[in-house]
Amino acid sequence: NAGVTQTPKFQVLKTGQSMTLQCAQDMNHEYMSWYRQDPGMGLRLIHYSVGAGITDQGEVPNGYNVSRSTTEDFPLRLLSAAPSQTSVYFCASSPWTSGNTIYFGEGSWLTVV
Amino acid sequence: AQKVTQAQTEISVVEKEDVTLDCVYETRDTTYYLFWYKQPPSGELVFLIRRNSFDEQNEISGRYSWNFQKSTSSFNFTITASQVVDSAVYFCALSDVDQGAQKLVFGQGTRLTINP
Repeated sequence: NAGVTQTPKFQVLKTGQSMTLQCAQDMNHEYMSWYRQDPGMGLRLIHYSVGAGITDQGEVPNGYNVSRSTTEDFPLRLLSAAPSQTSVYFCASSPWTSGNTIYFGEGSWLTVV
Repeated sequence: AQKVTQAQTEISVVEKEDVTLDCVYETRDTTYYLFWYKQPPSGELVFLIRRNSFDEQNEISGRYSWNFQKSTSSFNFTITASQVVDSAVYFCALSDVDQGAQKLVFGQGTRLTINP
């Protein structure tokens, strides 16, 4: 059971570089989202999608782009990395009905130097 | 706006002690969902429980139990007879349902250390 798969697991970037965090799920879930986890702040929502072709901003969207061309994939792009984007990133998915369990990927550790 | 507060930043107990992790939430919605997740040292997020706002029954799963009280906007988590493997960061979360999109608002987390 693959569930939610994130790549890469670890990445070091230089300030100003761009990169894409990949997220794929094989559960045919409509809803996918990206969170970032910072010390003492829990997880905060970056962007989310309720289906292919539909995305919207969460609490902390600045500096990130997303797209949803297929149900399975929801990549997160850092356009010009900044040290403030050093964080652990989690992708999540769930069926698009209220109260369903939200499944998380294993996380991607990103360091921007 | 929704908010979740886990006032206990860190808790340390000796193995076999009972421990309760507090969670207080704020929401104006009448329908909402509450979650607990466990994050062990390996870093992944492990789903523990989901509770909807209309179901105030307490739940027990082995050594874990949850006490949901709407009157105090609390959803506390108790581990009975704690074990070293329970050491982790625990997050309480509230589901903000916006046009069907289920967005989680997390508390800051409580780091639980169980000492042998």
